[in-house]
Amino acid sequence: EPEVTQTPSHQVTQMGQEVILRCVPISNHLYFYWYRQILGQKVEFLVSFYNNEISEKSEIFDDQFSVERPDGSNFTLKIRSTKLEDSAMYFCASNLPAPEAFFGQGTRLTVV
Amino acid sequence: AQSVAQPEDQVNVAEGNPLTVKCTYSVSGNPYLFWYVQYPNRGLQFLLKYITGDNLVKGSYGFEAEFNKSQTSFHLKKPSALVSDSALYFCAVRVAGAGSYQLTFGKGTKLSVIP
Repeated sequence: EPEVTQTPSHQVTQMGQEVILRCVPISNHLYFYWYRQILGQKVEFLVSFYNNEISEKSEIFDDQFSVERPDGSNFTLKIRSTKLEDSAMYFCASNLPAPEAFFGQGTRLTVV
Repeated sequence: AQSVAQPEDQVNVAEGNPLTVKCTYSVSGNPYLFWYVQYPNRGLQFLLKYITGDNLVKGSYGFEAEFNKSQTSFHLKKPSALVSDSALYFCAVRVAGAGSYQLTFGKGTKLSVIP
């Protein structure tokens, strides 16, 4: 069964450093997403990406964040200068043609 | 704006008993509704969805959910709980056909099935 894969599973970084989280969405899907889940809190939408551009973003997704689809398979989330409050589990998801989104296993980002 | 409420932080049920995890939603327009399950240190796994049609939808692992438009609810149910069902359950919603595909999640309900 096809699945969304994310790397790395855990990333520790120092405050102020740049991080790139990587995702390989399901191959025939058209929409790609990043969500995050701060420990003990709800899953929050960050951004959606379609046809090589951002289609929606939340207020969380400020200028420190960017997304890119550098080739035909990868989808990345970059945080330019990490803050302590960026520590969270980051989930990549993809969908369409099915309406349900399929999520990866997540990358746990710890900013120290 | 869309929102989801899961009124119970935790639900405890004895193995073999029926379980219900509650969800109510608010959207402007027709909803697409989803249930996801999260096991410890794992991602979100899709369980079931309501898009249109029959109000009772069946999903993975014997779970089902009933869409009730008048009560704006989408409660998750299972006739006989298993210990392995113990996990965190999230209800999610998005507006149908609005050109927006982002999901809004509830805060989650921890289900504990007691042997």
